[in-house]
Amino acid sequence: DVQMTQSPSSLSASVGDRLTITCRASQGIRNRLAWFQQRPGKAPKSLINNASTLQSGVPSRFSGSGSGTDFTLTISSLQPEDFGTYYCQQYESSPFTFGPGTKVD
Amino acid sequence: EVHLVESGGGLVKPGGSLRLSCAVSGFAFSNSWMSWVRQAPGKGLEWVGLNKRKSEGGTTDYAAAVKGRFTISRDDLRNTLYLQMNSLETEDTAVYYCGTGAAFDLWGRGTMVTVSS
Repeated sequence: DVQMTQSPSSLSASVGDRLTITCRASQGIRNRLAWFQQRPGKAPKSLINNASTLQSGVPSRFSGSGSGTDFTLTISSLQPEDFGTYYCQQYESSPFTFGPGTKVD
Repeated sequence: EVHLVESGGGLVKPGGSLRLSCAVSGFAFSNSWMSWVRQAPGKGLEWVGLNKRKSEGGTTDYAAAVKGRFTISRDDLRNTLYLQMNSLETEDTAVYYCGTGAAFDLWGRGTMVTVSS
């Protein structure tokens, strides 16, 4: 199975900060990576798929990059509604595993 | 607008069964892979399994933790995805979400399953 790791596991940030979250796969997954945001008490929401393709309606302050084993999610200027937990997921090889999450508070 | 609505959750005893449904509207359901994921209380997301569209054989794939106990199926006429859960264990307690595709482009709001005696 492909193991997914994320760093950091949590971070404290302020409105306006630039944030970078890293996701690493235990083996190459090409660009088959998605990023999700989950606000407390809510269902997750897709932000990015194929490592860098922004989902419709997602603000342009979110961006994704990477290929192979190393990926990043960047929030260029943190907004109040961006606090929550972020997950990556690989869908190159079944089981389509998720990372453990990065909590932003 | 696309809507995914899960239903069928509840309280069940260990060893029991439950069938979850995911009703989809505003989306090309029959042409899409569909997936299930779960989230135990206070924990992260855990992939459960997926069902490919019938044009690709309609095959299913499962996480090791549920293989042999859970079955994913679909009804393309009703635009509904199902998750049949048998031999439930306390570790299966979670919110269950359905999603579109392998990459969960769209999500439902989830349905809670509690396995407890």
